[in-house]
Amino acid sequence: DIQMTQSPSSLSASVGDRLTITCRASQSISNFLNWYQQKPGKAPKLLIFGASSLQSGVPSRFIGSGSGSDFTLTISGLQPEDFATYYCQQTYNTPPTFGQGTKVDIK
Amino acid sequence: QVQLVQSGAEVKKPGASVKVSCKASGYTFTNHGISWVRQAPGQGLEWMGWISTHNGNTNYAQKFQGRVTMTTDTSTSTAYMELRSLTSDDTALYFCARLGGGWYHGMDVWGQGTTVIVSS
Repeated sequence: DIQMTQSPSSLSASVGDRLTITCRASQSISNFLNWYQQKPGKAPKLLIFGASSLQSGVPSRFIGSGSGSDFTLTISGLQPEDFATYYCQQTYNTPPTFGQGTKVDIK
Repeated sequence: QVQLVQSGAEVKKPGASVKVSCKASGYTFTNHGISWVRQAPGQGLEWMGWISTHNGNTNYAQKFQGRVTMTTDTSTSTAYMELRSLTSDDTALYFCARLGGGWYHGMDVWGQGTTVIVSS
C-alpha cells in the first residue's frame, strides 16, 4: 500500500493567514492526489482533485500543487470557516490511502 | 440536487452484522462508482472498498476481505455495505462516497455518515 504522510499534524493560525500543508507519498503517484476538508461530525468535502484542480464551488483561496510524490495545499487568506481538519488522499492505485490529517485551529 | 442519504445509526453486539444503506439521487446512479470509508472516534479516514454501480464489480481493502460485502440495487439507486463479525474496533462513523469521474476525480459527493456502535 502507498503510505501518505502529512505535515504538520496540527497547526494554529489566525484569520487572514496564509498556510501550507504538505503531503508526501511513499512512491510516485503522478498527480492522483486529492485534498479534503472535514469538520467535526461531518463528511469530508472534496477541495482539490488531480493535485491542482479546484472542485466546483470551492473558493479560489484553496490552491493545490505538486506531482510525483510531493504535494502541497495552500490556503491564501484563512477564513473562519476554514478551521477544520485536512486530509490528502492518493487514488493512483488501490487501496486509495489517506494521510493522517492536519488539524487547523484558531491561534 | 446531487446527494447520498445514508441509513440511521446502529447499535450492535459483538459478533453481529450491520448493513448500511446509501441512497443516491440527483444523478444517474450507474455512472459513478461508490466507495465506503469509515472513521473511528478521533481517528482518520479508512477506505473499506469500492463497488461499480455499472456492473457490481467490487474491490475490498485487504483488511476487510471476507468480512464485508458491498452491493447495489440499481432499481432504487441504493448502495449497501454489510460488515459481519463485528467487534468493538468496528465502532465508527461509516460514509459512502461517490467517485467523481473515476479515481482521478476523487470522491466528490459524500453521504452524511452512519454511526455504528458495537457494544455488549
